[in-house]
Amino acid sequence: QQQVKQSPQSLIVQKGGISIINCAYENTAFDYFPWYQQFPGKGPALLIAIRPDVSEKKEGRFTISFNKSAKQFSLHIMDSQPGDSATYFCAALGGGYQKVTFGIGTKLQVIP
Amino acid sequence: EAQVTQNPRYLITVTGKKLTVTCSQNMNHEYMSWYRQDPGLGLRQIYYSMNVEVTDKGDVPEGYKVSRKEKRNFPLILESPSPNQTSLYFCASSLSRLQETQYFGPGTRLLVL
Repeated sequence: QQQVKQSPQSLIVQKGGISIINCAYENTAFDYFPWYQQFPGKGPALLIAIRPDVSEKKEGRFTISFNKSAKQFSLHIMDSQPGDSATYFCAALGGGYQKVTFGIGTKLQVIP
Repeated sequence: EAQVTQNPRYLITVTGKKLTVTCSQNMNHEYMSWYRQDPGLGLRQIYYSMNVEVTDKGDVPEGYKVSRKEKRNFPLILESPSPNQTSLYFCASSLSRLQETQYFGPGTRLLVL
């Protein structure tokens, strides 16, 4: 049972465009929603995160939008660059000290 | 340099031969976790630890054991590996529960024949 559903699984965006990745969750006990970026051959790295009492968080070109009533959140990458090409994972944290559930990942390719 | 190290990075073994993947962090983090990454399934948490001698199951703990005798080390033990444990394994540590400072290790690629 997948508690965090992520889409799309792959995404191709032109340089300068907006990349959008969506996630939906079921468990209302989740109370922290991080996004991770993973380059080939590397471990994931925390990119940006949001709590459910905030509807939007922006850090540079990366923005999380959060819709608590719909139980959905999304990552927007503005002005996408080839260096953003990576796999992105959404995650949800809750139900315990360090129990975390990840989405299946989105492989983003930004083409020149 | 702040880091999480894992050893070995690559391992080929046979079914039933016990193995241990080590994980060590030099940041004095209290929280450590193990994940496995499989195509189409993303990252799934195996075990996590809130402090020395305190561990708990994640989503896929079957077939794995962990121990936390020292704060810096969190080894993953496969007592009797099976082919369905072939995967890419990551160890991670964080200062707080909210993972605001979570660091992942470089990964261990395991093949069980």
